[in-house]
Order: sequence, then structure tokens, then C-alpha cells
Amino acid sequence: DAKTTQPPSMDCAEGRAANLPCNHSTISGNEYVYWYRQIHSQGPQYIIHGLKNNETNEMASLIITEDRKSSTLILPHATLRDTAVYYCIVTLNQAGTALIFGKGTTLSVSS
Amino acid sequence: DVKVTQSSRYLVKRTGEKVFLECVQDMDHENMFWYRQDPGLGLRLIYFSYDVKMKEKGDIPEGYSVSREKKERFSLILESASTNQTSMYLCASSSRSLVFNSPLHFGNGTRLTVT
Repeated sequence: DAKTTQPPSMDCAEGRAANLPCNHSTISGNEYVYWYRQIHSQGPQYIIHGLKNNETNEMASLIITEDRKSSTLILPHATLRDTAVYYCIVTLNQAGTALIFGKGTTLSVSS
Repeated sequence: DVKVTQSSRYLVKRTGEKVFLECVQDMDHENMFWYRQDPGLGLRLIYFSYDVKMKEKGDIPEGYSVSREKKERFSLILESASTNQTSMYLCASSSRSLVFNSPLHFGNGTRLTVT
């Protein structure tokens, strides 16, 4: 699986968009990009995933660059409850494959 | 909603004890996983299972074993607990869907302290 690079921490004001970057320059053509988050004292929670196209769901949007070497997770209107560690993961197109988690980005949302 | 339940939220055990961590999922998922999480190290995969009675080693299997006798239950066993196994243990499950890349669903973890 390809390796990812994320900033260790980011800050965001409540109500503003939070844009979390992820570099995955060695991603291969059939690898997906996944995002999870972990709120303190809870297990990780799935957010979104994508292959080539941008994706949106009720939680977030995922923007993947055309060369697929980087992506950005966007929380359109961050709230205090979005304070968490966010993990970007790339993995082969195999359903249910064990995911390799890095250290993630700690997002702090403040009022 | 998928529910992954870990039997204990907190456990305190003594060095040398045999420890069982239990995990049950209610969505008929084929895949189940055990991770440990330590400060500064992220999540590390210990073992996973694609089916009943099947198991695969993850990145850090030493000192651990697993058991999957029923589809819904995946147990992590510390044969002889040591202080370096003090950690947060997370169980997860996913569907082996052939169409979609099924995400992982996690339990809320068991914080194990070995003294």
C-alpha cells in the first residue's frame, strides 16, 4: 500500500470550512483514498472514500487531484464536534482489506 | 447501523496473566480486525480474519493470538500479558463486498493496563 503524508495538526474556526490535505505521491492506479476520523475516547469512524472523481456525502467532500498524488478532505462548516484526529489512507481495490493507519492530522475546531 | 461491541471498556491485568479481549459484530460481516493504538504510533494491525476459523497476521502479531469460531465473534488473546502490551485495543469489522470497497466499522475500544 502507498504511504501518505499529513500535517500533524491544524486549527479551524467554528462555522468555517476545514480543508485537510494528504499527499500520496506513490499511489498506484487501482488504489483508493479513504478518510477516517477518531474523536477522543471513541473508535475511528469512516468518513468518505474515492478513486479518481471527487466525492461528496453528508459528512464531507473529497477532492482528488488529477494526477491522484494528493487529496483534500473538506468539512464545509466545521463544528466543535468535528475536533478529532483525521486519517488519510490509500489501499488497493480489495473490499474489506485491512487498512494501514498512519498518525493522522489532529484538527482543533474552536469557537 | 453496524454495531461492533467490545466486551470491556477498561481492563487491568497482572503481568503473566492470560487475557481475553472479546469483540462481537451484528451485521454478518465476513472480515474482522484487531488493532492496537498507542500515543504517537497511530493504529497498528495485530491480526485479522476473512472468515470463520481463518486468521492472518498483521504488522505486530508477536505476543498475541486470535480465535474466530463464529462469524460474529473475534477474540484477541494475550497468552502471557506483559507491561508493553498496555494499550488501547480496537476491534473492527467490514463486509467482503465484491462491488464496493466496504469501510471498516470500529468498536469503542478496550483500554488494557498490565501492571
